[in-house]
Formats: sequence, C-alpha cells, structure tokens
Amino acid sequence: DTEVTQTPKHLVMGMTNKKSLKCEQHMGHRAMYWYKQKAKKPPELMFVYSYEKLSINESVPSRFSPECPNSSLLNLHLHALQPEDSALYLCASSQLGDRGEKLFFGSGTQLSVL
Amino acid sequence: AQTVTQSQPEMSVQEAETVTLSCTYDTSESNYYLFWYKQPPSRQMILVIRQEAYKQQNATENRFSVNFQKAAKSFSLKISDSQLGDTAMYFCAFMKPLGYQKVTFGTGTKLQVIP
Repeated sequence: DTEVTQTPKHLVMGMTNKKSLKCEQHMGHRAMYWYKQKAKKPPELMFVYSYEKLSINESVPSRFSPECPNSSLLNLHLHALQPEDSALYLCASSQLGDRGEKLFFGSGTQLSVL
Repeated sequence: AQTVTQSQPEMSVQEAETVTLSCTYDTSESNYYLFWYKQPPSRQMILVIRQEAYKQQNATENRFSVNFQKAAKSFSLKISDSQLGDTAMYFCAFMKPLGYQKVTFGTGTKLQVIP
C-alpha cells in the first residue's frame, strides 16, 4: 500500500463551523506533513510531525489545529476560518532520515469557506 | 533560506516532441536533494524524478531526464516523446533532509501537450 488517503475530498464550511480534515497512510512513515495550496501556486508547508510530535509550525494561525493521534493518522482541525483560507489542503508522508526521502502525497481536500 | 526559481510559467509542446523545463535554485547547503514533481488536473502531486546533489551523474526515469549543473545551481527537466498524459503543472523542489524532509517548491511551470 503506497497511498496517502485524505478525506473528505471536498468541504464547504461557514466561518463559524468546526470541521476536521483527515489523512491516513499505512507505509510505516514516521513523518507526516500538511501543505496548503492556493490555485496556480506551489504548496506551502504548514505543519510537520515526526514520531507523532509536532516538529514544525510555519507560523500558521491558531484557527488551524493539527493532531497526530498515532503513526498512521494525521488530522487538521478547522475552526472560525476566513474566506481567504479557501484552498487545497494536501497531506504527505515520508520516511525519516537524511537520504532525501520522497514525499508521498494524498489527493487533497478542496476547502471552500463561505 | 533556499529559493527555487522556475522562469517559465507556461509552456506547450507537440505530442511526441521533446521539451525542457528550467529550474534554478540558491543555497549554501552542501547536502541536499532536488526533485521534479508533477501535478495533473487531479491535483495529486506525483514524483517524476530525484537527484542527489553529491552525484554528478544526471538522473533518468524512462522518458524523463535531468541536466544537473551544480556549480550553476541549475536543474532542468527534459521530457522526451511527450504524451498527452504529461499535461500538468511541474514543480521543481529543493529538499534539505532534517530527519523529516523540508521541501521548498518552485513557482511551477504549466505544461500543455498538444495533440
């Protein structure tokens, strides 16, 4: 199994809603990532987890709250989002190490904030 | 901080022809890796090819090859025998391994393969 599975594929939410994005991988990867991608732009790193601990928070607003409950799952909890947060949210995973391991990406969740 | 520059926002190529996408980067690191990722309309990022900076030999993967010029900090992608399925956004990426893999993406080149 070399897949990273993200759910839901599409999400529409109001600015007062609370929702969660989910990401799952069964490749034994101990690093997991959240990226945000606006249309026609490259992905921007939001968070990195290694060994289920938060390693990087790229100054992301607190209305985005990541969670890594175990080595296979990564969640992104959303609360009080703004319309400018509408974007494609990509999850990725990789091996840990210093050998330039490739990132495996999910298909993303297209989020629209109304 | 690393920067990755792709100077060609859009390109087109006739089916079966060859096309080269350009990428330059700036870094003071000695140990790093370079990648090309493809993002088709399905939006999933797919690895095309990987280059280890300490290797002089250019990486190849079937119809895809790179021209890695370390001193010039240049990393171009050549696609031979272009196919309609190659239509996608292509991102050049710089990776510094830190245990986890910290990736900096370029701005992307949108490639259209014309039948």
